Amino acid sequence: QKEVEQDPGPLSVPEGAIVSLNCTYSNSAFQYFMWYRQYSRKGPELLMYTYSSGNKEDGRFTAQVDKSSKYISLFIRDSQPSDSATYLCAMSQAGFANDYKLSFGAGTTVTVRA
Amino acid sequence: DAMVIQNPRYQVTQFGKPVTLSCSQTLNHNVMYWYQQKSSQAPKLLFHYYDKDFNNEADTPDNFQSRRPNTSFCFLDIRSPGLGDAAMYLCATSRDLQLPRGHSGETQYFGPGTRLLVL
Repeated sequence: QKEVEQDPGPLSVPEGAIVSLNCTYSNSAFQYFMWYRQYSRKGPELLMYTYSSGNKEDGRFTAQVDKSSKYISLFIRDSQPSDSATYLCAMSQAGFANDYKLSFGAGTTVTVRA
Repeated sequence: DAMVIQNPRYQVTQFGKPVTLSCSQTLNHNVMYWYQQKSSQAPKLLFHYYDKDFNNEADTPDNFQSRRPNTSFCFLDIRSPGLGDAAMYLCATSRDLQLPRGHSGETQYFGPGTRLLVL
């Protein structure tokens, strides 16, 4: 069983729709949760960062963390063709010296149709 | 703008011919990482440096080596590239983790990647 599970998609939605992405994980020690956006042939770009449980909103993006269910989500409202990319979830444990590993999901490929 | 820079963006090498990829950062971050990412897969951590301390992942082949001559630069050396080493290589940085809990220092910032092709 992978430490982080993410449905690879692909996911195709019409412009203006809400995109819903999620990841599940097995390691209860994870406390830091991130979503990265990766355009084709580019490096991952940090989109959202959340510490512990709760919601975080940034413009059209909302990240949710439910540690009791080991489940995180990313919602994109009013999706645009420029949102077409692969979205990677990532998470890490409370940091201590010399152990900074991120555990990634495999990424979900999203296409927003104009 | 502070950033993570990788050169070259595209690298073509021959089977068995050593190749070096470079990464530089203007973020003054303590920690630098090298990842390998193959098509439609999650980035796979190869190794990381905490300042000058090198940390190799247990499953990273000996064929992969790294150097960090100073805070700003880090190199990935592939001694004898095989066809299976063709991938995107990503450099990332993060700040010291000795920060208040909840600080975004744990976040990693990635460069644009170097796509390696092995002929």
